[in-house]
Amino acid sequence: DQQVKQNSPSLSVQEGRISILNCDYTNSMFDYFLWYKKYPAEGPTFLISISSIKDKNEDGRFTVFLNKSAKHLSLHIVPSQPGDSAVYFCAASGSGGSQGNLIFGKGTKLSVKP
Amino acid sequence: DTGVSQNPRHKITKRGQNVTFRCDPISEHNRLYWYRQTLGQGPEFLTYFQNEAQLEKSRLLSDRFSAERPKGSFSTLEIQRTEQGDSAMYLCASSRQGPDTGELFFGEGSRLTVL
Repeated sequence: DQQVKQNSPSLSVQEGRISILNCDYTNSMFDYFLWYKKYPAEGPTFLISISSIKDKNEDGRFTVFLNKSAKHLSLHIVPSQPGDSAVYFCAASGSGGSQGNLIFGKGTKLSVKP
Repeated sequence: DTGVSQNPRHKITKRGQNVTFRCDPISEHNRLYWYRQTLGQGPEFLTYFQNEAQLEKSRLLSDRFSAERPKGSFSTLEIQRTEQGDSAMYLCASSRQGPDTGELFFGEGSRLTVL
C-alpha cells in the first residue's frame, strides 16, 4: 500500500510558465512533507519542505502548498526554467514517531521546454 | 565542502556473490541512512544510524543484508549471496541530529547489477 502517491509520471511545460507537481498521501500522522529533485546520475537533492501545521511555504521560485483535509500537497515552480528539468520526488516523514524513515513517491519527471 | 561520498559507483556481480558498499557521510552529520531505488520507483528506506547505533531497520532489509557504522563515521552495507532482485541503486544519505524535518543529504549512489 503506497502511502505517498505521485500519480503523474511526467509533466511538460514551457519555459516561463508555471509547473505544478502534485502529491497525495494516506497517513494523517506525517509531520513533514518534502520535495526532492533528482538529475540523472546524481542523488536526490532537497528542495523545500513544509510542516504539517502549515499550509504554505515559499522559497524563491518554489512554493509548496499543503491541504491536510484532502491529504494533498503540491509544488509550484514559477517561472519554470529549462534547468528545472528533473525528476521530482514527494516525500513524507514522522509517521508514528519514526525518525529515519522518509517515505517517497514514485516521482514526476518534469521537462521544461525553451 | 565535501558531500556524501559512496563507493564503488557501479558494481557488477554474479548471482550468489557478496558485495559491499561504503558510504562516507558529511563529517559533522550524526545520522546516516541507506535507501534503495529501483527503476521507476522512489527511494525506499533500508536502515538508519545515529552515531554508531543502528536505530531502525526496514523489513526490506533481509537477513542477507547487513549494515554497520562501527565508529560513527563511515558506513558499509554488505549484501550476501546476491540475487537478481537485488539489482538497484543503493543510496546513502546523512543529516544533522536535530528536529526531524527530513532534510537528508544524499550521495550519488552505488549501482548494483546482479547477473
